Amino acid sequence: GAVVSQHPSWVICKSGTSVKIECRSLDFQATTMFWYRQFPKQSLMLMATSNEGSKATYEQGVEKDKFLINHASLTLSTLTVTSAHPEDSSFYICSVIGTSGRTETQYFGPGTRLLVL
Amino acid sequence: AQKITQTQPGMFVQEKEAVTLDCTYDTSDPSYGLFWYKQPSSGEMIFLIYQGSYDQQNATEGRYSLNFQKARKSANLVISASQLGDSAMYFCAMRGQIKAAGNKLTFGGGTRVLVKP
Repeated sequence: GAVVSQHPSWVICKSGTSVKIECRSLDFQATTMFWYRQFPKQSLMLMATSNEGSKATYEQGVEKDKFLINHASLTLSTLTVTSAHPEDSSFYICSVIGTSGRTETQYFGPGTRLLVL
Repeated sequence: AQKITQTQPGMFVQEKEAVTLDCTYDTSDPSYGLFWYKQPSSGEMIFLIYQGSYDQQNATEGRYSLNFQKARKSANLVISASQLGDSAMYFCAMRGQIKAAGNKLTFGGGTRVLVKP
């Protein structure tokens, strides 16, 4: 498996401010990390694939200037929600690719709940 | 494009009984992987079980087993001897095994399971 942490676990901010969320791979080096968003009672939606040392790959409909991703090291990726608005309030969760037996799968962090007032 | 469908939004199950969660999928990939994740109220996503499209046998992991019917494009999760701690959201997910897909997962809408004592 893989151990993934996220910080902060909860954040409340005022509309118009920027919020940075960290995702750390604690027990191995991750060249690729994924960022998802989950609205209440809905499924996970992939926002972007974060690649160490290069630009992130965003999914269709996700504003790259709104959701800035930086994967500066093999253990850390950050997601910055710029000029956050109430509609950005959501659960943000990251994942890394790890191995379970012979299976490659995604292991998820505990998530960050963002509330924009 | 890949699509995952979970038709059961919610289910009750009696403690110690078995429960089957439905998952159907659609893909044009010649090979693919199917995953089940558990999401308790805390929000973390917990990997449960994996089935490869060319695996000859249905996957099992402890109390979890996957009833894989390739011709019907279904990958139902069976939880045996339900426990109160099994109460959670359960997500079925798919990954194309073509490396160009970047190991991205496509998630179904989820099924909420509530285990009754």
